[in-house]
Amino acid sequence: DIQMTQSPASLSASLEEIVTITCQASQDIGNWLAWYQQKPGKSPQLLIYDATSLADGVPSRFSGSRSGTQYSLKISRLQVEDIGSYYCQQAHSNRTFGGGTKLELK
Amino acid sequence: EVQLVESGGGLVQPGRSLKLSCAASGFTFSNYYMAWVRQAPKKGLEWVATISTSGSRTYYPDSVKGRFTISRDNAKSSLYLQMNSLKSEDTATYYCARHGLGARYFDYWGQGVMVTVSS
Repeated sequence: DIQMTQSPASLSASLEEIVTITCQASQDIGNWLAWYQQKPGKSPQLLIYDATSLADGVPSRFSGSRSGTQYSLKISRLQVEDIGSYYCQQAHSNRTFGGGTKLELK
Repeated sequence: EVQLVESGGGLVQPGRSLKLSCAASGFTFSNYYMAWVRQAPKKGLEWVATISTSGSRTYYPDSVKGRFTISRDNAKSSLYLQMNSLKSEDTATYYCARHGLGARYFDYWGQGVMVTVSS
């Protein structure tokens, strides 16, 4: 089974700050990776798919990148509405999520 | 507007069964793979099951294989999850999700339904 190691588990950042979350795949998954945002008490929402493609309606301050088997989600200027948890998900073999990153305001 | 509405959750004793339902609207249900994803309290997301458009193919992780069965009724635009031999570790919010974008990702999610397995 493919494991997704996400870091950090929690993160505190200030408004307008640049935030980066990473996921390390246990084996090659190509570009088959998505990122989701889950606001407190809500269902997850797709942000990024195919490692770098922005889902419909997602603000352009969100971006995804890949370097080998490491994947990153970047928020260029943190806004208050970005607070919540973030999860990566591999789609190469079955479906596996990373452990999540809880993003809070400093 | 895509809508996914789950129902059927509740409190159930260990070893018993429960069946969840998901009513879909706002899209052509029969054209999409569908899935269930769960989230234990204060924990992360775990994929539970996927079903093909016709229902002929199903996929499960080892944690639920042999105990859970996903099914669908395209005429009713409905998705189901039959859960047997329930364990305390199955306690979670269960989300119905649409498999969009080549059936690789989850592009729409329901609001979730809580299942508590406890004596």
